[in-house]
Amino acid sequence: GENVEQHPSTLSVQEGDSAVIKCTYSDSASNYFPWYKQELGKRPQLIIDIRSNVGEKKDQRIAVTLNKTAKHFSLHITETQPEDSAVYFCAAFFSQAGNMLTFGGGTRLMVKP
Amino acid sequence: NAGVTQTPKFRVLKTGQSMTLLCAQDMNHEYMYWYRQDPGMGLRLIHYSVGEGTTAKGEVPDGYNVSRLKKQNFLLGLESAAPSQTSVYFCASSPLFGTGVSYSNQPQHFGDGTRLSIL
Repeated sequence: GENVEQHPSTLSVQEGDSAVIKCTYSDSASNYFPWYKQELGKRPQLIIDIRSNVGEKKDQRIAVTLNKTAKHFSLHITETQPEDSAVYFCAAFFSQAGNMLTFGGGTRLMVKP
Repeated sequence: NAGVTQTPKFRVLKTGQSMTLLCAQDMNHEYMYWYRQDPGMGLRLIHYSVGEGTTAKGEVPDGYNVSRLKKQNFLLGLESAAPSQTSVYFCASSPLFGTGVSYSNQPQHFGDGTRLSIL
């Protein structure tokens, strides 16, 4: 089955600095990689996603990169703000494994003002 | 357009009791999922459905049953609740798009969750 490892588990940065969260996946056939942000007590919300035919995708201060050869993908947040503080989850989707999305363990990001 | 709605939001059960969690989506999505989230952990898939009348097991299906009698609803049942099932339960849905191996890799939309405590 699919396994997704996420690092670090906690990350503390100063406001304005950049934050990087990394994930690795086990199945080379995975073809879709979403990132979710979850604030305390709330639902996970999709913030960005990338498909296997793309190496990088940006949306304002958020970017995701994918290295298919190494089977890892990363979330980059630039110019962090206190409202970026949340738990971030990466996930990998392998459509031939029963349509299941496998999540990483999460990264708690704390942005200090 | 409410998206994905879960009921109830909170529930406390005694060991051995049964209950059903309801998930409803108004986006006409084909796929629906039930996850559990334990403190400090990620989401683990319990069961999912790729269409009305079909269900399949996820990563942690034991102790749960599901039904998808209508396209818009996905029910999660606990027949005999155990303290190990104390968790936050999230329902999600996603659309069917495309064909072949790319047909289901679309963003999942989550409900607000159901916080379930079993004493």
